[in-house]
Amino acid sequence: AQSVTQLGSHVSVSEGALVLLRCNYSSSVPPYLFWYVQYPNQGLQLLLKYTSAATLVKGINGFEAEFKKSETSFHLTKPSAHMSDAAEYFCAVSKGTYKYIFGTGTRLKVLA
Amino acid sequence: NAGVTQTPKFRILKIGQSMTLQCTQDMNHNYMYWYRQDPGMGLKLIYYSVGAGITDKGEVPNGYNVSRSTTEDFPLRLELAAPSQTSVYFCASSPLGNEQFFGPGTRLTVL
Repeated sequence: AQSVTQLGSHVSVSEGALVLLRCNYSSSVPPYLFWYVQYPNQGLQLLLKYTSAATLVKGINGFEAEFKKSETSFHLTKPSAHMSDAAEYFCAVSKGTYKYIFGTGTRLKVLA
Repeated sequence: NAGVTQTPKFRILKIGQSMTLQCTQDMNHNYMYWYRQDPGMGLKLIYYSVGAGITDKGEVPNGYNVSRSTTEDFPLRLELAAPSQTSVYFCASSPLGNEQFFGPGTRLTVL
């Protein structure tokens, strides 16, 4: 069965510092992987997706993620945090079917 | 395009009442989904549909029902509301069952 683990339900970084949000998945076949962002009182918005093309995926707002099959990881990074990045971030996995499994989310706080 | 719209935005129900959460998308997507989001739990799939007239259960379907008579609409019905159904409900749609587009959510409280 598929599953997604996000390490750290809350992450705090200083403005201008590196953002690293961790996501590990378990899947018996190569998956599709996604990162979504949720701003307060809003729905989820796609940040980026991996669909078996390039292993380094660039998304919106300066975020990127690297698919590492050997580590079953798909960590989200951004070189320099901005106050507007404060939100909750969700990793999700799909085995190429139409159903996702979502992680439990990581709330990012950016300190001035 | 309005994308995915949901109504109402907020609702308070008494135990045992029923209601329908509305979801409409104007992107002609075949796939539609209902999730519930509880604090610290991520999103759980309630029901999904792969096209008009076709629906199926997700992870947490108990206490809910859906229908899909048109491509655009995918209402979620709560019968006999219970406090355990207090949650934020999100509808989403997808063109190919891949990237999903989410509505703004409905915040439901059952007292």
